[in-house]
Amino acid sequence: AQSVAQPEDQVNVAEGNPLTVKCTYSVSGNPYLFWYVQYPNRGLQFLLKYITGDNLVKGSYGFEAEFNKSQTSFHLKKPSALVSDSALYFCAVRDIGNTGFQKLVFGTGTRLLVSP
Amino acid sequence: GAVVSQHPSRVICKSGTSVKIECRSLDFQATTMFWYRQFPKKSLMLMATSNEGSKATYEQGVEKDKFLINHASLTLSTLTVTSAHPEDSSFYICSARGAGETQYFGPGTRLLVL
Repeated sequence: AQSVAQPEDQVNVAEGNPLTVKCTYSVSGNPYLFWYVQYPNRGLQFLLKYITGDNLVKGSYGFEAEFNKSQTSFHLKKPSALVSDSALYFCAVRDIGNTGFQKLVFGTGTRLLVSP
Repeated sequence: GAVVSQHPSRVICKSGTSVKIECRSLDFQATTMFWYRQFPKKSLMLMATSNEGSKATYEQGVEKDKFLINHASLTLSTLTVTSAHPEDSSFYICSARGAGETQYFGPGTRLLVL
């Protein structure tokens, strides 16, 4: 089965500094990788995805992620953090269930706290 | 584009009653919809996958008779929590996927069973 790991429960960064939220994956075959963000008491918002093509993927709100096959990583990055970026971030990978249906497998989430 | 709504956003019910949650894709046709449950400070747990016009596929450990899922059209899926108990209190989130690979999520429904 496909899986992703988010090794950090929380990441703290000062506003204006670059941020990185880490994600590593374990898949058989080519990975379909996603990043989502969740604000308190809300659903998940799609940020970006990697299916194929350029290793650097640009997404919403100035976020980007770099697909690194040799390190099996898909870290989320932003050059300059905003206080409003403070939220819960989930990495996810597409998997095929036992019934043949596609589904997403999520990491445990990383809380990003951006201080003023 | 790709907006998914959920209704209600919050519901409080008495133990033993049933609660229905609606999930709608507002600007695209969702061939597949998903229902998740999220516990506080935890990741999302997939409960079931539903394709329009067919029976839902439940994940292992999810009681299909307790969590009834209907996907009657390409824009609407419903989750009914039958005979709800306090342990069913949770944050329920739906998502929808159209022709592409991306799932778009609803804003979630907070269920509290007293």
